[in-house]
This record gives sequence, structure tokens and C-alpha cells, in this order.
Amino acid sequence: DAGITQSPRHKVTETGTPVTLRCHQTENHRYMYWYRQDPGHGLRLIHYSYGVKDTDKGEVSDGYSVSRSKTEDFLLTLESATSSQTSVYFCAISDYKTAPFNEKLFFGSGTQLSVL
Amino acid sequence: GIQVEQSPPDLILQEGANSTLRCNFSDSVNNLQWFHQNPWGQLINLFYIPSGTKQNGRLSATTVATERYSLLYISSSQTTDSGVYFCAGGWSYKYIFGTGTRLKVLA
Repeated sequence: DAGITQSPRHKVTETGTPVTLRCHQTENHRYMYWYRQDPGHGLRLIHYSYGVKDTDKGEVSDGYSVSRSKTEDFLLTLESATSSQTSVYFCAISDYKTAPFNEKLFFGSGTQLSVL
Repeated sequence: GIQVEQSPPDLILQEGANSTLRCNFSDSVNNLQWFHQNPWGQLINLFYIPSGTKQNGRLSATTVATERYSLLYISSSQTTDSGVYFCAGGWSYKYIFGTGTRLKVLA
């Protein structure tokens, strides 16, 4: 399972509250990603990281921020949650070009977030 | 940015049938992968296939990078193949996903 843990698995929150989702990996993978999955849209890239303190925006980054202060943790923060951010959030990792034959993208189990 | 189109959007098969799923890209990519999302929501990486053909059991995939498409073949389908199949591509380590093909295999 590439050693990826997402927490929490489920969360219900109210509009306007801050929310932080955590992705933890145990195998020293360089690249980490946050995706959201919504019906009819597939998976859309929110933010990604290519190293400690190195992050960049994806397709749908508005309303989200990320931090990666150490290799194993990639945090996704919704500063002020809105109902449009109700979704399933997936964390992923890869070792593109840093480990032979390890270029695949592997996903965590997801976090179901409901913003009421 | 790159657009990824998958077809068909939905597919219903009888157990034992074969199928072909297609993924088209609006621009060149150097990284392409196929995934299966099972009914419990888990995403499983099936293939990393930027070009050429690979096989894994009853599944095989072919990518023709110069023509910007990839195909996933499922032979002798089983009910456990049900779920959603996604392709994802892009440049280097940044991946854009298609909207998926939802497959249902009937016993």
C-alpha cells in the first residue's frame, strides 16, 4: 500500500471553519499530491509537493493551502470551509525519476469531507 | 492545460466478455498511468505505460504516444473487474486525470 495513511477518514464540519487533512507516508517518497474526487469530474489535482517546503498549485487550488515541513507529512488546509469543498480527498505519492521502476502513482484510502 | 478524455463513459458487460477502454490526450504526455477504483473507493495502479504495450494477467495496455492515446484491454471479464477505470497523464511528476469509464460486469 506504499505506506500511505490519511487522517481523518471521515469528517463533518460547518461552513466557515478551518479544516486540516493529513497525509503521512513511511517510505521516504519524494513527490506527494492532494486530489479531490467529485461525481462527473474524476480526480482533480489541488496541490503537489516535490520536496520538503517545495509545493505548487494544481488545477483547483483556490481555497486550499498546503504545507510539507518534513518528508513524511503533507497537510492540506481549508482555511474557511465552504459547501463546494464537500468531496472525497485523496493523497498520493510517487518516486518519479528518483527510484528505478518506481514511477507509479499510489493513493491513500481517502478522506470523506462534508461541509454543512 | 492538458485535457484527458475517456471513452466510453459507461460500460456493461456479461461475465467472460472482452472490452477496450480508450484514453485520448489533447497534447503530448511523457507519463501515462491506468487505475482501477473498486466499489469501496480504493484506487489501484494498474499500469505505468508512457509508451508501448504491457500485460498483467487478463489486463493489457497500449500507449501510442505519437498519436496521443492509450487503450486498456480487459479480457474474460469477471465481476471483480467492476468499478471505475481512470487514466492519468502529464509531464514528469504532475498528473491530470480523465473522468473515468464506469464498468459493470454482470454474473
